[in-house]
Amino acid sequence: DTEVTQTPKHLVMGMTNKKSLKCEQHMGHRAMYWYKQKAKKPPELMFVYSYEKLSINESVPSRFSPECPNSSLLNLHLHALQPEDSALYLCASSQDPGSSYNEQFFGPGTRLTVL
Amino acid sequence: GIQVEQSPPDLILQEGANSTLRCNFSDSVNNLQWFHQNPWGQLINLFYIPSGTKQNGRLSATTVATERYSLLYISSSQTTDSGVYFCAAVNSGGSNYKLTFGKGTLLTVNP
Repeated sequence: DTEVTQTPKHLVMGMTNKKSLKCEQHMGHRAMYWYKQKAKKPPELMFVYSYEKLSINESVPSRFSPECPNSSLLNLHLHALQPEDSALYLCASSQDPGSSYNEQFFGPGTRLTVL
Repeated sequence: GIQVEQSPPDLILQEGANSTLRCNFSDSVNNLQWFHQNPWGQLINLFYIPSGTKQNGRLSATTVATERYSLLYISSSQTTDSGVYFCAAVNSGGSNYKLTFGKGTLLTVNP
């Protein structure tokens, strides 16, 4: 099963709201990723967790706060977002970043609108 | 970091036609993936192909790592093939996590 799930599918929030995006995989993968994709652009890496530890933060503003409660789950906590943060947020996972095989599999995404 | 360039940026085909999409990358890679993004935003894995040739039905891909390019072939195209095709690579000299995407090729297949 090569499935990554994400909830919710759509989210509308105001600039003062706090919300969370959730991602889950049951493939036994040890690396999980958050990407942001604006319309008509490629996905851009935000965060990487490897073995449940934050490995990469691509200089993302602190209003985005990632969390990896266990090896299957990845959350992205959102607070005081701006309208320009509206985008498709994609979660991905890969088997073992230390190995030579590191194919990434993506979830269906959460389409976020900030009003 | 590694640069990934895709061509053409846009491609319009009649159903049944064949096409070739190209991906050039600026440095050696240990991961190269082709994706199809459907209209709902889902990125679907087509190929994991850091080198060599693979085939899956009407699609095939070839990566010539020494010359730093990869090609995606679509034969007998169908309207459901429409969408954006992304090539993405991991630089073998950099972080093993960081997948860098090209800007994509927007494919439209008309009936």
